[in-house]
Parts: sequence; C-alpha cells; structure tokens
Amino acid sequence: DAKTTQPNSMESNEEEPVHLPCNHSTISGTDYIHWYRQLPSQGPEYVIHGLTSNVNNRMASLAIAEDRKSSTLILHRATLRDAAVYYCIGRGFNQFYFGTGTSLTVIP
Amino acid sequence: DTGVSQNPRHKITKRGQNVTFRCDPISEHNRLYWYRQTLGQGPEFLTYFQNEAQLEKSRLLSDRFSAERPKGSFSTLEIQRTEQGDSAMYLCASSERGGRKAGANVLTFGAGSRLTVL
Repeated sequence: DAKTTQPNSMESNEEEPVHLPCNHSTISGTDYIHWYRQLPSQGPEYVIHGLTSNVNNRMASLAIAEDRKSSTLILHRATLRDAAVYYCIGRGFNQFYFGTGTSLTVIP
Repeated sequence: DTGVSQNPRHKITKRGQNVTFRCDPISEHNRLYWYRQTLGQGPEFLTYFQNEAQLEKSRLLSDRFSAERPKGSFSTLEIQRTEQGDSAMYLCASSERGGRKAGANVLTFGAGSRLTVL
C-alpha cells in the first residue's frame, strides 16, 4: 500500500475553502486514493475517493495530480462541523493503512 | 440497515482479565476489518476477513488477540490477559467484497469500542 504524507494540522476560517494536501509518491498504478475524516469520539467516515480523474461529491472535491504522486482534498466552504482529522490513504487490493492525518481547525 | 454496530461501546477491566468485543457489519458486506486506535494516532490495521476466512493479520495482533467471524456475519475480537498497553479504541469496519476494483470499495466504520485496562 502507498505510504502517505500529510501536514499534522491546518486552520481555516469558516465559510472559506480549504485545501488539504497529501503526498503519496509510492502509489502504484492500481491504488485508489481515499479520504476519510474522523470527528472526535467517532469512527472514521468516508469522504471521497478516486483513481486518476478529479472527483466531486456532495461533501468535497478530490484533485489528483497528473503523476498521481499527490492529491488535494477540497472543502469548498468550511463549516464548524468540518473540524476533524482528515486521512489520506492509498488503497491497494486488500487493506487500508491510515497515517496520522491532518487535524483541521475551523475558526468561526 | 443501521450501519456497523459495535458492542460494548466502553469496557473497563483490570489487567489480566479477558475481554471480547463484537462487531455486526452491514449485512451485504463480505469484508470485515478490525483496527486499533490510540490517542493522537490514526487507526492501526489489525486483521480482516472475507466472509468467514481471516485473510491477513498484522504483527500488532499478538498471541493474546484472536478474531473470529463464524458464518461470515458478525465478528468477535478477544483479548486475553489484558495489559495496560491494550487500552485503546477498537474499531470495526466493513466493505463490499474484493475484486478487480476492490481498491474502490469504501469502508464503513462503527463507532468503536473503547477499552480501558486498569
């Protein structure tokens, strides 16, 4: 599985866009890029995933670099409920391996 | 379906006792995963099942840990002779079966079972 590198923490003002970066330079051609987030005292929840193309869903957008060595999770308008730890994962056939993630603080 | 259910949510035990956690996955999901999470860390993979078969175990899963998934439905994680270092949140997740596009399958997590070993 691809090892991922993320900043330990980031801050954003409420209602502003947030770009959360992730480096996954060892990703293989068949590894999907997944993002999960974890709110305090809860299990992680799925946010978005993609393979090569940029992806959008109701929660976020995922921008994947052309060489697939990095990706960016985009929250278009941060809300206080988006304050969480965000995990980027390069998923191969079997397992998910989580790193330490990025702790996002949203400032009112 | 109400998602992935884990019981108990909290367990306090004395060192040396055995504890068992149960996970009920989403019914149509073939794969079931166990993770352990300590404070400030991301979830650490322990083991996973496809149906009733345990396909992989992490080196984190010492001899004191055993996981089962009889009949390919619910799963149990037992810790024998608990130690204080076992104190953590134990997370269960499930996903649809593996396959050519298995990397696309997403995990649905339960709320976790928090273990405190005194």
